[in-house]
Amino acid sequence: DSGVTQTPKHLITATGQRVTLRCSPRSGDLSVYWYQQSLDQGLQFLIQYYNGEERAKGNILERFSAQQFPDLHSELNLSSLELGDSALYFCASSVSGPNNSPLHFGNGTRLTVT
Amino acid sequence: SQELEQSPQSLIVQEGKNLTINCTSSKTLYGLYWYKQKYGEGLIFLMMLQKGGEEKSHEKITAKLDEKKQQSSLHITASQPSHAGIYLCGAVLVGSQGNLIFGKGTKLSVKP
Repeated sequence: DSGVTQTPKHLITATGQRVTLRCSPRSGDLSVYWYQQSLDQGLQFLIQYYNGEERAKGNILERFSAQQFPDLHSELNLSSLELGDSALYFCASSVSGPNNSPLHFGNGTRLTVT
Repeated sequence: SQELEQSPQSLIVQEGKNLTINCTSSKTLYGLYWYKQKYGEGLIFLMMLQKGGEEKSHEKITAKLDEKKQQSSLHITASQPSHAGIYLCGAVLVGSQGNLIFGKGTKLSVKP
């Protein structure tokens, strides 16, 4: 058990809808990361937050947004969903940045868009 | 093109055999991580390598970082069915804004 909790585990929704994925980081970790994993693209970095502030952005679509709350949990919002958004979404946390502390991953949320 | 290339893409070995997985970067890397993933599950942290020439071991798994070549290798000795899974290398690269970028993974199957 990595200590990172993601909910829900599975999500099935229709195109055009909006969903929210939730992540609770490990106790003591200030950084939260979101990744998307699909068969063709592999594991793609979306966004990082550190202590409530956005730290870095990767290949995140404009339809997607995230935030980190004062209690350090984070949410990833996906809107106007398309079939191609079906993927496994991972949250990870670390003490600081990936330069000097490993990321610990949750078990992911599997999103299916029909 | 992929910034982190892993080879081979997949590997089938007989239980008890040794194997090596490689991870090559197209850019200078600041640190390299190895993770293992069971299908559809989260990534399990194995090792972090930061210095050129560094080598770390955990049980029967050894990872080395050759910073000069921008390459890392993961070696498993006397493989067991429990070693089966997808092995991913991740690295912080020059120009990646400090983000951890991953290779596409190597799928390992171990035949009993």
